[in-house]
Amino acid sequence: SQQGEEDPQALSIQEGENATMNCSYKTSINNLQWYRQNSGRGLVHLILIRSNEREKHSGRLRVTLDTSKKSSSLLITASRAADTASYFCATDAQGAQKLVFGQGTRLTINP
Amino acid sequence: EPEVTQTPSHQVTQMGQEVILRCVPISNHLYFYWYRQILGQKVEFLVSFYNNEISEKSEIFDDQFSVERPDGSNFTLKIRSTKLEDSAMYFCASSEATSGMISYNEQFFGPGTRLTVL
Repeated sequence: SQQGEEDPQALSIQEGENATMNCSYKTSINNLQWYRQNSGRGLVHLILIRSNEREKHSGRLRVTLDTSKKSSSLLITASRAADTASYFCATDAQGAQKLVFGQGTRLTINP
Repeated sequence: EPEVTQTPSHQVTQMGQEVILRCVPISNHLYFYWYRQILGQKVEFLVSFYNNEISEKSEIFDDQFSVERPDGSNFTLKIRSTKLEDSAMYFCASSEATSGMISYNEQFFGPGTRLTVL
């Protein structure tokens, strides 16, 4: 079954630096989405990239998708302390509605 | 901005009891979902619901689970006889559909209900 897996599992950087997280999956997808989760809280939708798109921007976020490598990356530029959270990628297969989540990357921004 | 809401935020119950978790999806959305996240683990899909019926469900979603849309706004998840291993955060999500077909699948999640089974 398809599976999104993020790496690294944990990332700690200084405020102002850029943070890059990666996601890999196993089967063909329709869309790939990135979510943020603050500790013990809900999932906040960040961005969706479709399988026919290669790059997408939203504010300080940049997402890339390489379907040949079955991988995606999330770049957060000029990080802030408030960006501290876990970040998950989630994929859905063609014809399916369910999202398959990865284990997540725990991002810590140090002031 | 419209959002998915869930009640209660925290539910504590005894093993074997029935619980109902409630969700109000975004008003113009037509697809509804339940997911769960056991502490420290991945978010797992449970069930999707469209046009008043289940459209997809996972192996987790066994006979102990049921979903319902009792009126035009609420979407509920019922666990008939809770087990210790049902303790988890339960998330409701919804997505928009166009002309009865999914043109994209941007799912918006509620804040979750933390279910604790004692």
